[in-house]
Amino acid sequence: KAGVTQTPRYLIKTRGQQVTLSCSPISGHRSVSWYQQTPGQGLQFLFEYFSETQRNKGNFPGRFSGRQFSNSRSEMNVSTLELGDSALYLCASSVLRQASYNEQFFGPGTRLTVL
Amino acid sequence: AQSVTQLDSHVSVSEGTPVLLRCNYSSSYSPSLFWYVQHPNKGLQLLLKYTSAATLVKGINGFEAEFKKSETSFHLTKPSAHMSDAAEYFCVVTYNNDMRFGAGTRLTVKP
Repeated sequence: KAGVTQTPRYLIKTRGQQVTLSCSPISGHRSVSWYQQTPGQGLQFLFEYFSETQRNKGNFPGRFSGRQFSNSRSEMNVSTLELGDSALYLCASSVLRQASYNEQFFGPGTRLTVL
Repeated sequence: AQSVTQLDSHVSVSEGTPVLLRCNYSSSYSPSLFWYVQHPNKGLQLLLKYTSAATLVKGINGFEAEFKKSETSFHLTKPSAHMSDAAEYFCVVTYNNDMRFGAGTRLTVKP
């Protein structure tokens, strides 16, 4: 069974631009969650999508958005990029909701650098 | 609200010696607890999880963790470190769709 895939793996953008990251979950998984990982803030939860609906959201500004398609693939978008958005963005999928008992399977991440 | 604290940001051990990575949690409920490992330039991989069954949980690669409610701890241990164990380890507490990650502990294994 193929794992979680994220594209692209590396991305360089300049301030003010926007970016779209893609995540394909494991086949059969309906929940996709996004995380931002930085050396200073660690791992922070961005949002979770389940059955094409955002179910849970972390404490990030509205510049960060996402969506999920009917095949469970998900995209996240960051508009008006700032230097502080440079991070590793991780996507994780699970069979059910991001709930207490469900293991999440993580992709390798997209490394975003904002210049 | 719940939170998780990893007591050491960096742990260094020699190959073949025991590993102890410490994690304390705070939760008003009975949470589930996980340990994930992240190797360089890779995503996170689940090592083990506690979900209110046996308090001693065995995971992959020889790791295990013991849930101690009285101490609100979920420390990760391994009897004998291997060079391939060098990575970042994250303790995670979850309850009812609220998932919190610890700051991580970087494990270095010296030959």
